[in-house]
Amino acid sequence: GESVGLHLPTLSVQEGDNSIINCAYSNSASDYFIWYKQESGKGPQFIIDIRSNMDKRQGQRVTVLLNKTVKHLSLQIAATQPGDSAVYFCAENRSNQGAQKLVFGQGTRLTINP
Amino acid sequence: DGGITQSPKYLFRKEGQNVTLSCEQNLNHDAMYWYRQDPGQGLRLIYYSQIVNDFQKGDIAEGYSVSREKKESFPLTVTSAQKNPTAFYLCASTLRHSQLEKLLFGSGTQLSVL
Repeated sequence: GESVGLHLPTLSVQEGDNSIINCAYSNSASDYFIWYKQESGKGPQFIIDIRSNMDKRQGQRVTVLLNKTVKHLSLQIAATQPGDSAVYFCAENRSNQGAQKLVFGQGTRLTINP
Repeated sequence: DGGITQSPKYLFRKEGQNVTLSCEQNLNHDAMYWYRQDPGQGLRLIYYSQIVNDFQKGDIAEGYSVSREKKESFPLTVTSAQKNPTAFYLCASTLRHSQLEKLLFGSGTQLSVL
């Protein structure tokens, strides 16, 4: 079926370490992907996005990798800080006969240990 | 400051009662959206509006209603027909529906049943 899913629902890393959050998608026609960060009791915030014609995109301390062959997306956060603790969502943009729709994954809770 | 304002932050509904969640934006965005978030699940689209006086059902519209009489306002009514209304409700907007990669979210309303 169509879904955007995550391999792990929770992830704990030590402060200062790098973290990798993974996401699998099933719709090969999706043309771009977005990562969001959601802190407790707040709305999701945009982190970084990537279009399907790219394999990698870098931001400040974050990198998104896209592997279209295996329909896999990952978010790498370098030198994690306590403020990185949050739930991270991936989303894919699906187009169907001109209509666009964002489909969200269930989220991964990232905990940064001091 | 421009942004999306959702109110109230917390809302309680009695059996058989309709409740309305407010969403206001001063970003001059044409497109507005309502999502429902349940623990451990991705965001699901309830309704969206691409322009004033127009709106479309999302994936889980049953038991909900919306209106779009003004560009800046997109209230969501949770009717008594919605048998499982307890969830975190997120409003979002973007300049145009074709620019979902620039979707901005409000801070959410937590609805609970008494």
